[in-house]
Amino acid sequence: DAGITQSPRHKVTETGTPVTLRCHQTENHRYMYWYRQDPGHGLRLIHYSYGVKDTDKGEVSDGYSVSRSKTEDFLLTLESATSSQTSVYFCAISDPGQGADTQYFGPGTRLTVL
Amino acid sequence: GDSVTQMEGPVTLSEEAFLTINCTYTATGYPSLFWYVQYPGEGLQLLLKATKADDKGSNKGFEATYRKETTSFHLEKGSVQVSDSAVYFCALQSNSGYALNFGKGTSLLVTP
Repeated sequence: DAGITQSPRHKVTETGTPVTLRCHQTENHRYMYWYRQDPGHGLRLIHYSYGVKDTDKGEVSDGYSVSRSKTEDFLLTLESATSSQTSVYFCAISDPGQGADTQYFGPGTRLTVL
Repeated sequence: GDSVTQMEGPVTLSEEAFLTINCTYTATGYPSLFWYVQYPGEGLQLLLKATKADDKGSNKGFEATYRKETTSFHLEKGSVQVSDSAVYFCALQSNSGYALNFGKGTSLLVTP
């Protein structure tokens, strides 16, 4: 299994509070992604990173920001959480430059916004 | 834009039955196609993939063939087991980027 961890694994928070989710990898993969999974929608891309300090928006980026100061860590921040951001969040990694275009997923973080 | 459509679930089968989960896609160019599986409470795992037309991906008895003429990548298994119960996602990776575009997922329940 790819070395990907996510923290926390579960979080309950209140509307309006800031929340940061962390993805940590030990594979030295260049690309990292944040997806959210919701019933009836599959997985949708929030943001991705193609290197340290290099990030770009995905399909559902509104209300989210990301940062990547080290190869191994990719942070997802909800500046002011809303109930519509209740979801399961998955981090993924890949490295096309190493011939590994396959994405490997972390175990997920279940976030509930009350 | 690119999109993936897969059959609605849930699908319920008896053990040893034949499985087909349909997946069709819309994309420009020549995307790569993937099937991922998600077991209860876990993240997604790559099941198989195909990167060009007529390629067949296979793993753990599952197979899927990249059909450009029908823009399809249907997942099949000849004899399912209870342990195959999971949610299956078809996904597309365009040749202009690295992010995945997922279908909505198909839940499979295999009963003894």
